[in-house]
Amino acid sequence: EAQVTQNPRYLITVTGKKLTVTCSQNMNHEYMSWYRQDPGLGLRQIYYSMNVEVTDKGDVPEGYKVSRKEKRNFPLILESPSPNQTSLYFCASSLSTRAGVEQYFGPGTRLTVT
Amino acid sequence: GESVGLHLPTLSVQEGDNSIINCAYSNSASDYFIWYKQESGKGPQFIIDIRSNMDKRQGQRVTVLLNKTVKHLSLQIAATQPGDSAVYFCGVTGGGNKLTFGTGTQLKVEL
Repeated sequence: EAQVTQNPRYLITVTGKKLTVTCSQNMNHEYMSWYRQDPGLGLRQIYYSMNVEVTDKGDVPEGYKVSRKEKRNFPLILESPSPNQTSLYFCASSLSTRAGVEQYFGPGTRLTVT
Repeated sequence: GESVGLHLPTLSVQEGDNSIINCAYSNSASDYFIWYKQESGKGPQFIIDIRSNMDKRQGQRVTVLLNKTVKHLSLQIAATQPGDSAVYFCGVTGGGNKLTFGTGTQLKVEL
């Protein structure tokens, strides 16, 4: 089944404790992206990647890192999480390098930073 | 930069009626537009898209209308069903790889 998977689905952590949210897709997509979703603000893009070893900042990249060492994986790293990073996070991928072209979204990761 | 807004945060319709969800964008150079549906507890799901060289595109029970003159986009759902209850987002690209989403409209279908 074609899908985007994220792990973990739920995470509660404390300020300053490094964490990684994994994202994997099995559709051989070139384009991958991370979003955060907050009430009243909608989906905002954090980082995106057009291909292996090619990443770029979205609208809200501060406090986040990403890497794209393999085509299928695009982990999101929070080196020192803070409470304002409490949010719902979505990973997405698409065949085309053009954003918006039938992006497939993962199920989401709900992160709480205390 | 691009800003995208939805006209109503919540829309309630009777089952069987048609639904219209609106979206406004700011960048006249925007060339690609997309609608997503997000059910509770799930990730957004692609519904339909349209390019700037078109005014209208139809899918199964859904139609997207694009008015570039007033920078307005709408999603029409025919014969709305309970399964259509969800949050609907429009997304807009202004060229390149940047996709900007609206804040979403919650569609509630009343029986």
